[in-house]
Amino acid sequence: DAGVTQSPTHLIKTRGQQVTLRCSPKSGHDTVSWYQQALGQGPQFIFQYYEEEERQRGNFPDRFSGHQFPNYSSELNVNALLLGDSALYLCASSPGTGEAFFGQGTRLTVV
Amino acid sequence: SQQGEEDPQALSIQEGENATMNCSYKTSINNLQWYRQNSGRGLVHLILIRSNEREKHSGRLRVTLDTSKKSSSLLITASRAADTASYFCATDTSTGRRALTFGSGTRLQVQP
Repeated sequence: DAGVTQSPTHLIKTRGQQVTLRCSPKSGHDTVSWYQQALGQGPQFIFQYYEEEERQRGNFPDRFSGHQFPNYSSELNVNALLLGDSALYLCASSPGTGEAFFGQGTRLTVV
Repeated sequence: SQQGEEDPQALSIQEGENATMNCSYKTSINNLQWYRQNSGRGLVHLILIRSNEREKHSGRLRVTLDTSKKSSSLLITASRAADTASYFCATDTSTGRRALTFGSGTRLQVQP
């Protein structure tokens, strides 16, 4: 059984561009959460999706948006990239209120 | 903002020694979890302790929770070089689906 998979592993973008990150949850998990982790810091909660809707959101601007598909996979979109958006982006899936399992992350570098 | 803050920020010990990391948080919680992260990659769930529990064990790990002091500690006994990683506490204030608030982490180095 595959765990949480994220793609791509690494990504380099230019300031002002847009980026889409993808996450496939663990089998049987219907809830996907996204986190941003800056270097040397703990992960920060961005938002959470289940039943194809955003249910909870952290303190992130509207440039950060997402989507969840009927198969529970999810995308994170970031528009108008800033240098400060450079970070490790982590996806976590969980079965409802069960434990969260994390993917290996996408390392985004904005230049 | 960070809900939890780990202490110390960095810890270096010899193999076989015990490692203790502390976490403080600000608001009431439903549960507290500890995670490990190797080399800036994905997080591995270690242990969850609920707000009505005071201590929990899992293998070489022992977690305590003091809700009156809003603090938790993670003890790793008989440490190994493979335990070298960053350790984070994460609090969950929701009663529903998990939206975790992480601390800034403790970087543990275990010298062989």
